[in-house]
Amino acid sequence: SQTIHQWPATLVQPVGSPLSLECTVEGTSNPNLYWYRQAAGRGLQLLFYSVGIGQISSEVPQNLSASRPQDRQFILSSKKLLLSDSGFYLCAWTVANYGYTFGSGTRLTVV
Amino acid sequence: DQQVKQNSPSLSVQEGRISILNCDYTNSMFDYFLWYKKYPAEGPTFLISISSIKDKNEDGRFTVFLNKSAKHLSLHIVPSQPGDSAVYFCAASVGYQLIWGAGTKLIIKP
Repeated sequence: SQTIHQWPATLVQPVGSPLSLECTVEGTSNPNLYWYRQAAGRGLQLLFYSVGIGQISSEVPQNLSASRPQDRQFILSSKKLLLSDSGFYLCAWTVANYGYTFGSGTRLTVV
Repeated sequence: DQQVKQNSPSLSVQEGRISILNCDYTNSMFDYFLWYKKYPAEGPTFLISISSIKDKNEDGRFTVFLNKSAKHLSLHIVPSQPGDSAVYFCAASVGYQLIWGAGTKLIIKP
C-alpha cells in the first residue's frame, strides 16, 4: 500500500538554528512531491514541489530550501530559522494532479 | 492574487441539518476541483473531487456542485454529523499544482 512518512511530529528550534524535515513515500514510483505550510489562521501555502530527483520548483521566496536526493525522499531545510518560519509543515505526494495524500505534518515552533 | 477564495472563515450548523461550504475561483484554466477536510495537528484528507466537465459529483453524504459560468463550487454535507467539525479546504488543479483556498472552519452544534 502507498504510505507517506513525515517526521518529526513536533519541533521547537531557536532562531538562527538550522532545520531539516524529512518526508518519504512508500508504495509508489516517481511521485510528484510537495511541501506545504499552514501558518496560524491561514490556508495552505505551497512552498516547493518536485516532479523528479533533483528537480525542485520554489513557489515563494524565503529562507527555506528543498532537496530530493532520492525518488521517494523529499527534504525541507533551512540554514537559519526565523520566527516567521513557525507553522505546520505538510509533505504531500501524488501521481496525478488530484487525490493528493498528505503526511501527518510537523508542528515547528521557532523561539 | 487569490485564485481560489473561501470567503467564510467559519460556519456553524446544527447536527442533522445541511452544511454548505462555498468556494470561488478566478482562473478558467482549472481542470479539477477538490475538497479536503483537516483536523487540528493532522494532514488534510481528501473528501471529494469534481472534473471541470461535470457539474455535480456525489459520494454518500457529500455532494460537490460546480457552476463554471459563475466560477463557483460548493460542498454540501447532508446530514451534518459531529465528526464533520473540521476545517474544509477547497483546491483547484492546474498543471502540477493545487491552488488552495484559505479554508472554512465548520462547527456542528448538537
